[in-house]
Amino acid sequence: NAGVTQTPKFRVLKTGQSMTLLCAQDMNHEYMYWYRQDPGMGLRLIHYSVGEGTTAKGEVPDGYNVSRLKKQNFLLGLESAAPSQTSVYFCASSYFGQVNQPQHFGDGTRLSIL
Amino acid sequence: ELKVEQNPLFLSMQEGKNYTIYCNYSTTSNRLYWYRQDPGKSLESLFVLLSNGAVKQEGRLMASLDTKARLSTLHITAAVHDLSATYFCAVDNGPLSGAGSYQLTFGKGTKLSVIP
Repeated sequence: NAGVTQTPKFRVLKTGQSMTLLCAQDMNHEYMYWYRQDPGMGLRLIHYSVGEGTTAKGEVPDGYNVSRLKKQNFLLGLESAAPSQTSVYFCASSYFGQVNQPQHFGDGTRLSIL
Repeated sequence: ELKVEQNPLFLSMQEGKNYTIYCNYSTTSNRLYWYRQDPGKSLESLFVLLSNGAVKQEGRLMASLDTKARLSTLHITAAVHDLSATYFCAVDNGPLSGAGSYQLTFGKGTKLSVIP
């Protein structure tokens, strides 16, 4: 069972370039999330989705867009990358209505913006 | 706005010793999660605490939740080198009843180094 799969695992971009990070889960989870992790900052929620076709802003949404066209996929887009977006990005997923189940995380995407 | 504070942020301890990591949060919640992260790796779920007085144990780790004090603790017993990692607590932002918001606010993490 693959769980939560993120692609790519590493990427280097130049300022102003755009890219999309892909998250795929095979656990039939309703909820999906995108976080960023910066040194000494813990994880901060960027955007999340409670179901196919729905998305919502988290704590730090500026500069990012998301889409969830299929239940199993959650895309994170950077339209015009900035150095401040250099970070490790984690995708997670969870069931609806089962608070006893934790969020499951992918392995992360390490993104550097030059 | 929910704030989650962990302390200490860095912990260096000798093998065989005991220690406690603290997680304080600022607003009422009864759902708290502990995760472990090894360097360069993903987050691994350790414990899910869902009610006041909840206590969970796995091996040398024991977690507890006091919702009245808005405090969770992660106690390490007789530390071994394999426990070296960063430990995060995360608190659910949602209402106390129902399915929860599933919006987690994370602490900054406690980097634990166990020295032989």
